[in-house]
Amino acid sequence: GAGVSQSPSNKVTEKGKDVELRCDPISGHTALYWYRQSLGQGLEFLIYFQGNSAPDKSGLPSDRFSAERTGGSVSTLTIQRTQQEDSAVYLCASSVVGQANTEAFFGQGTRLTVV
Amino acid sequence: AQTVTQSQPEMSVQEAETVTLSCTYDTSESDYYLFWYKQPPSRQMILVIRQEAYKQQNATENRFSVNFQKAAKSFSLKISDSQLGDAAMYFCAYEETSGSRLTFGEGTQLTVNP
Repeated sequence: GAGVSQSPSNKVTEKGKDVELRCDPISGHTALYWYRQSLGQGLEFLIYFQGNSAPDKSGLPSDRFSAERTGGSVSTLTIQRTQQEDSAVYLCASSVVGQANTEAFFGQGTRLTVV
Repeated sequence: AQTVTQSQPEMSVQEAETVTLSCTYDTSESDYYLFWYKQPPSRQMILVIRQEAYKQQNATENRFSVNFQKAAKSFSLKISDSQLGDAAMYFCAYEETSGSRLTFGEGTQLTVNP
């Protein structure tokens, strides 16, 4: 696709359920990032992929959060046993690493509401 | 750890006038990158302007320009001839090396009044 695609756009889930959020980066972008944006807040880094490996997962807030990337393309962020404080917009970005003037392109995010 | 601070939660400007959004950051690095992103209600982050720390010249993109003061660790965004479409949340961001994670400020909500 032309841009970073995220699905679903909105997700409402019950507390305690597991959710999967999907990110489809721009074709050819080797780097992929997940960020979380709580209401009225800035973006909080969660995890970074280079290819299929995750050299930086230091931002994952707890072991309920995990992410994977397959084929150097699509990534899935999984939140297990969701809690109300997980409610936020989850944004994905991708970029080409190793070039001058690298720019991170963002998707429109998934708004997760835990009720 | 690097931190980015935006001290203006909200700003407003009259259409066609100029507004400046403030940003300060903290780092021990000498080379890094700074960005301003715009986030409209659609939620998609849009890059407005970027600045490489090793460049002394302030970056400019049409009506958008920055005032980069490296010693003061200050990176403000000036929007000239403000337009209604400029209304959005603006985030300042820091990147230690090209392609690494971005560290964001808390954001400034800009309102443009007709």
